[in-house]
Amino acid sequence: GQNIDQPTEMTATEGAIVQINCTYQTSGFNGLFWYQQHAGEAPTFLSYNVLDGLEEKGRFSSFLSRSKGYSYLLLKELQMKDSASYLCAPVDSNYQLIWGAGTKLIIKP
Amino acid sequence: SAVISQKPSRDICQRGTSLTIQCQVDSQVTMMFWYRQQPGQSLTLIATANQGSEATYESGFVIDKFPISRPNLTFSTLTVSNMSPEDSSIYLCSVLDDREGKTQYFGPGTRLLVL
Repeated sequence: GQNIDQPTEMTATEGAIVQINCTYQTSGFNGLFWYQQHAGEAPTFLSYNVLDGLEEKGRFSSFLSRSKGYSYLLLKELQMKDSASYLCAPVDSNYQLIWGAGTKLIIKP
Repeated sequence: SAVISQKPSRDICQRGTSLTIQCQVDSQVTMMFWYRQQPGQSLTLIATANQGSEATYESGFVIDKFPISRPNLTFSTLTVSNMSPEDSSIYLCSVLDDREGKTQYFGPGTRLLVL
């Protein structure tokens, strides 16, 4: 079956760094997306990884290891507005995104 | 990135009625999707809206309950029929932007409450 595993909730301090891990099992693999979703709003695109390694984009970086079925999202210099859910979504052999429940990130002052 | 609008943004409806949600994209896109997200839950794909043919529904969703239209490459509608309180959810339109490596973008969502 298809499965995504992320921590349900994480807490971090403003200005710090946090890493949100994601392990997945899919039938086929065509890359992995990370989305940010604030409460009551639609998800917004953060990153897309299709090759192994680290992709850096400003304060956010995303890493992928296809052989391990593992990805992480790294958020640096945390700001209060980063409080949101972060969704890891691998793409299966049918090019469909597989969605988990995401990780709720709480930023404290 | 594709700009997506949805109407209505929110609605409160009575049990047994139907609501049609519209999704408009500012550019032609090959693939459009309809998702549902119930409070605290993950996104659930309802169907893929196919231009000029019947939508492709995921397991647990049927055309009689969620009829979908896609008359062209920039517009789609989702109807939630014969509503019950269990249909209270956020309904999201999403498109695959072929110009950006097949990134999937979401509309702002329609918040539906069924009494």
